[in-house]
Amino acid sequence: ELKVEQNPLFLSMQEGKNYTIYCNYSTTSDRLYWYRQDPGKSLESLFVLLSNGAVKQEGRLMASLDTKARLSTLHITAAVHDLSATYFCAVDSPGGNEKLTFGTGTRLTIIP
Amino acid sequence: DAGVIQSPRHEVTEMGQEVTLRCKPISGHDYLFWYRQTMMRGLELLIYFNNNVPIDDSGMPEDRFSAKMPNASFSTLKIQPSEPRDSAVYFCASSLVYQPQHFGDGTRLSIL
Repeated sequence: ELKVEQNPLFLSMQEGKNYTIYCNYSTTSDRLYWYRQDPGKSLESLFVLLSNGAVKQEGRLMASLDTKARLSTLHITAAVHDLSATYFCAVDSPGGNEKLTFGTGTRLTIIP
Repeated sequence: DAGVIQSPRHEVTEMGQEVTLRCKPISGHDYLFWYRQTMMRGLELLIYFNNNVPIDDSGMPEDRFSAKMPNASFSTLKIQPSEPRDSAVYFCASSLVYQPQHFGDGTRLSIL
């Protein structure tokens, strides 16, 4: 059974600081996604990572993938308040079907 | 483009009643997913369809839950009879193959 773990579960950080969210998964997968969810809202796709060493960046967020370690990171640079949200990673099932297993989520709060 | 459309947005009903949740996927998407989100269990995949055919329903909690997709533009998730433990936010998502899933705004279901 594919397991996806994120840490930390909760993260409170000051504006301007850098931090990293970690996503570990238990079996080989073809694709890893990062999603953002604002409180009471839907999930929004941020990044898709397909290969070992892949790096994607959008504004203050940068995601990377190490398939050998089965680890993805989401790095936040110089955090600002509007990045406060819950961030999920999700991994597809072995064999490449469309079924995703989501991590527990990391609730990020940026304090002014 | 219109996104994934779910209805109703909120539903409050009494235990034992039948509940029907509706979803219109993004036009052209051939995958449709139903998820349930709770604080305790996180985001769980219930069932997904490809070209209107159910592919994996292993996440459907029990026989009280059923899902249909009679055509490419409409799907329903039905709970009969409903129980308080079914209270959750139910999301519908759609996608193309190997592409990120696009989520609807969700239905917040409360069973009294």
